[in-house]
Amino acid sequence: SAVISQKPSRDICQRGTSLTIQCQVDSQVTMMFWYRQQPGQSLTLIATANQGSEATYESGFVIDKFPISRPNLTFSTLTVSNMSPEDSSIYLCSVEGDAGVYTQYFGPGTRLTVL
Amino acid sequence: DAKTTQPNSMESNEEEPVHLPCNHSTISGTDYIHWYRQLPSQGPEYVIHGLTSNVNNRMASLAIAEDRKSSTLILHRATLRDAAVYYCILRSWAGGTSYGKLTFGQGTILTVHP
Repeated sequence: SAVISQKPSRDICQRGTSLTIQCQVDSQVTMMFWYRQQPGQSLTLIATANQGSEATYESGFVIDKFPISRPNLTFSTLTVSNMSPEDSSIYLCSVEGDAGVYTQYFGPGTRLTVL
Repeated sequence: DAKTTQPNSMESNEEEPVHLPCNHSTISGTDYIHWYRQLPSQGPEYVIHGLTSNVNNRMASLAIAEDRKSSTLILHRATLRDAAVYYCILRSWAGGTSYGKLTFGQGTILTVHP
């Protein structure tokens, strides 16, 4: 299994500002994923981040709004840019398990409130 | 992506078995059936997965219909800690690699009564 930590755990931000969320894994992983969970809703995949390549974004999500960095095999950041109240959500990162494990492991999430 | 259908909510009493159904009538031959659950204020956690045969692990059992168009997650003795949202997810695989994004539906909210 993989242990994932996220920083910050929660934050309250003003509209128009940006927030960078960090995701740290206790082991080297190839694939990392960023999800958004809006209030009372299920999880939606934002993008897939592989080390050494550009992130792949899902429909409805763009790099200018959610830039992602993946500098090494244990770390990634997601920035929520030019925030509005509609960006208030829980943001979660996850990693793919070892080959043959077929599972994803999730971080605890970052609860973002935009005023 | 093949879609799954789950009841919005279910209730159970503590120490009783719980059967959580999932319909996936458009499943393809290479789709695995995965179950995750999300406890309150936590990220989702893996529960179990299967392809064709029934599966058991320390957390639960997965019963898969012969035509694979439906499956049932079985919690043999529900505890209060099992109260969570349970997601049934079909996961496609790209060749021999482990890539396959998770597409979450709305899931089933399980309430466990003491």
